[in-house]
Amino acid sequence: GAGVSQSPSNKVTEKGKDVELRCDPISGHTALYWYRQSLGQGLEFLIYFQGNSAPDKSGLPSDRFSAERTGGSVSTLTIQRTQQEDSAVYLCASSLGLSKNTGELFFGEGSRLTVL
Amino acid sequence: QKEVEQDPGPLSVPEGAIVSLNCTYSNSAFQYFMWYRQYSRKGPELLMYTYSSGNKEDGRFTAQVDKSSKYISLFIRDSQPSDSATYLCAPSLSGNTPLVFGKGTRLSVIA
Repeated sequence: GAGVSQSPSNKVTEKGKDVELRCDPISGHTALYWYRQSLGQGLEFLIYFQGNSAPDKSGLPSDRFSAERTGGSVSTLTIQRTQQEDSAVYLCASSLGLSKNTGELFFGEGSRLTVL
Repeated sequence: QKEVEQDPGPLSVPEGAIVSLNCTYSNSAFQYFMWYRQYSRKGPELLMYTYSSGNKEDGRFTAQVDKSSKYISLFIRDSQPSDSATYLCAPSLSGNTPLVFGKGTRLSVIA
């Protein structure tokens, strides 16, 4: 398919372990976003990549969270020393990233993380 | 004040009812106003958007923006059980800035 692909779809881990979540955006989309969705909290912005520019990391909740985007395509979100409050659905989205566009985001189905 | 406020519901209506979903926002610079629909265990997908103030109609859905009062509405006519989902409002500054989402309103349409 041509949509945003995320893996794993579900991840259960123990407190203190590191996890990596992967996002494969739509081909040709220069912008890539990570959001977190917790129960009752809506979508929380985490980080934004646009082309070769430095990423906007303003939404990362702590230094345990980091993300990289290799070759302007695939992105990996890493959470170190996971805590129970990290349990959430992590959603990746991509867009054309053009200033004159509406900014429509195309979302993947998310990676559901459960920290025991 | 949060950038986008949205009543999380849940909202339960009978099939055929008119549904009104609303958001308020604080940043007067927002230009695009989007509504996303999210089915259970799926990613959000764009339902419709408006640019600046005014109305936009698409089938049973009407999006309305009043920039003077910073108020966004989505109306669903003749609601169907298939409309049961969470609806998220998302105003945008431009095409290359992160969207700010409301918390979403969970809607159930009962047959």
